[in-house]
Amino acid sequence: VQMTQSPSYLAASPGESVSISCKASKSISNNLAWYQEKPGKANKLLIHSGSTLQSGTPSRFSGSGSGTDFTLTIRSLESEDFAVYYCQQYNEYPPTFGSGTKLEIK
Amino acid sequence: QVTLKESGPGILQPSQTLSLTCTFSGFSLSTYGMGVGWIRQPSGKGLEWLANIWWDDDKYYNPSLKNRLTISKDTSNNQAFLKITNVDTADTATYYCARIDNSGYRYFDYWGQGVMVTVSS
Repeated sequence: VQMTQSPSYLAASPGESVSISCKASKSISNNLAWYQEKPGKANKLLIHSGSTLQSGTPSRFSGSGSGTDFTLTIRSLESEDFAVYYCQQYNEYPPTFGSGTKLEIK
Repeated sequence: QVTLKESGPGILQPSQTLSLTCTFSGFSLSTYGMGVGWIRQPSGKGLEWLANIWWDDDKYYNPSLKNRLTISKDTSNNQAFLKITNVDTADTATYYCARIDNSGYRYFDYWGQGVMVTVSS
């Protein structure tokens, strides 16, 4: 399953809201996870099952979608949110990842 | 507290075999439903899943590399291993291990910080 993530780059200011899209090449039900990557830190699972926040994920993060189209939304950006975000489908083998979205401070 | 830490050779030559170790704590790979996966990321590029191993020793491999991969585990020492044979410069990457919890879904809920591996002559 090919995962197409967009945009690849996003610039925003603290306090703004942003959305990242992830499209699957075939239906993956809601078997989609979102991860955050920051330099020097382990990747962090933010959301699984399309919209379920992992324990410890701030409520400003939300996930939506099912089938082929998914969205990660971050409301009221905080400085710690500027990072790279990846989606991953786990509906079938092999698990595949989106190409990533780098969220930078404007 | 769940932690995972990868270790590897750092640098190796083309055609050699890459051996990676994932040492973890806070969970057991003998627990029903648990798994560990290996994922890699070439510098500046995206994530590529390599293999999963499960509590019952079931194993899954990325078909694009399957003939070169071997995943295994040592439950008593809380370790998982990955071997990649006949490495090439294209195998230069940061390699991660990650836990798959026993929810029945194959997302990775905890990751190690990764180990950089360079293949160079």
